[in-house]
Amino acid sequence: EVQLLQSGAELKKPGESLKISCKGSGYSFTTYWIGWVRQVPGKGLEWMGIIYPGDSDTRYRPSFQGQVTISADKSINTAYLQWSSLKASDTAMYYCARRDSGKWLVDYWGQGTLVTVSS
Amino acid sequence: QSALTQPRSVSGSPGQSVTISCTGTSSDVGYYDFVSWYQHHPGKAPKLMIYDVNKRPSGVPDRFSGSKSGNTASLTISGLQPEDEADYYCCSFAGSYTWVFGGGTKVTVL
Repeated sequence: EVQLLQSGAELKKPGESLKISCKGSGYSFTTYWIGWVRQVPGKGLEWMGIIYPGDSDTRYRPSFQGQVTISADKSINTAYLQWSSLKASDTAMYYCARRDSGKWLVDYWGQGTLVTVSS
Repeated sequence: QSALTQPRSVSGSPGQSVTISCTGTSSDVGYYDFVSWYQHHPGKAPKLMIYDVNKRPSGVPDRFSGSKSGNTASLTISGLQPEDEADYYCCSFAGSYTWVFGGGTKVTVL
């Protein structure tokens, strides 16, 4: 069974750094792209970017380029989303999601990680 | 403002049909036949219900169906069941390893 298990909720202060994780299981982690999706409270879903864990090829949506870093450690089947300096506007639920192999389709999702940035 | 436009809410009684629209542009929904729909119960992982406009993954009931005309895609739930109450999001591939989503529609079973 394909599963994407995300790390737990975070409460951080503005200016702090953060790295959240998404661990894949039940499939060959290195051969499927993993994307990240943001959901600001009360708003819809926004695509942030995607990484291919096999070679760490990463593609960012332009509006998120330079704002976050997407990475992966294929030795432990885990993808990451990180911030170097959080802002209050980063408060959101963040989902990881898998791109189906060979298709332009996002098929499996993690359960989400709530990030709250507040002083 | 979401890239794709969905109604905020729809409702129906058990057994009725409801349809959720999803309007994009000629660069996403209108260009690619890679529209998908997800069911989301808060606190859980979104679940794929329809992909490639009108295909159902294994295990998804056939009361869920999808279609597309021009820049607008639609999800129809026929024979509404209480367990269908959830948020539904549409999604379209938009090129260059980018996907766009709708703002979500809350389906209420009366």
